[in-house]
Amino acid sequence: DQQVKQNSPSLSVQEGRISILNCDYTNSMFDYFLWYKKYPAEGPTFLISISSIKDKNEDGRFTVFLNKSAKHLSLHIVPSQPGDSAVYFCAASAYAGGTSYGKLTFGQGTILTVHP
Amino acid sequence: NAGVTQTPKFRILKIGQSMTLQCTQDMNHNYMYWYRQDPGMGLKLIYYSVGAGITDKGEVPNGYNVSRSTTEDFPLRLELAAPSQTSVYFCASSFGQMNTEAFFGQGTRLTVV
Repeated sequence: DQQVKQNSPSLSVQEGRISILNCDYTNSMFDYFLWYKKYPAEGPTFLISISSIKDKNEDGRFTVFLNKSAKHLSLHIVPSQPGDSAVYFCAASAYAGGTSYGKLTFGQGTILTVHP
Repeated sequence: NAGVTQTPKFRILKIGQSMTLQCTQDMNHNYMYWYRQDPGMGLKLIYYSVGAGITDKGEVPNGYNVSRSTTEDFPLRLELAAPSQTSVYFCASSFGQMNTEAFFGQGTRLTVV
């Protein structure tokens, strides 16, 4: 039972254009969503997050949008740069009642390639 | 800042052997986690700990054991290694409070042959 899904295994974008990575979830208890970026042979690094009380969060070139009714979130990267080429993981956690202990449920990941 | 440090980075085990994956963090985080990542899949939680002396199972705990004797260290033990345990293992830590991210180590690539 895949509670967090990234249906696009890969995405190819031209440098300077927008990259849009999508993520869907099924567990309505999730209330905190994160995006991680992972380079080969390295651990995931935190990129940006959003709480369920918001529908948008921006940090420089990165914006995350949350549509709770559709149980969908997306990560926008504008403008895309070759250094953004990596695997991007969507993750979610549920803090309801404070018993989730920060456990994350991950999507399968999307490989982003930004061409110069 | 060292953050989360995992050793070894690579290991090849024979079926039936045992080993311990080491993880240490210097951020004074109470919460620590072990995940595994299989090819084309997301990370799956094996075990987690909310503080020294307290551990609990995650989504895929079978074949693994953990201990947490100090805040800094959270070793993962594989007993009787099986090919199905071939994976990349990531240790992570966090403050565990609401809306905080987890910090990951660089991973241990384990192959069981």
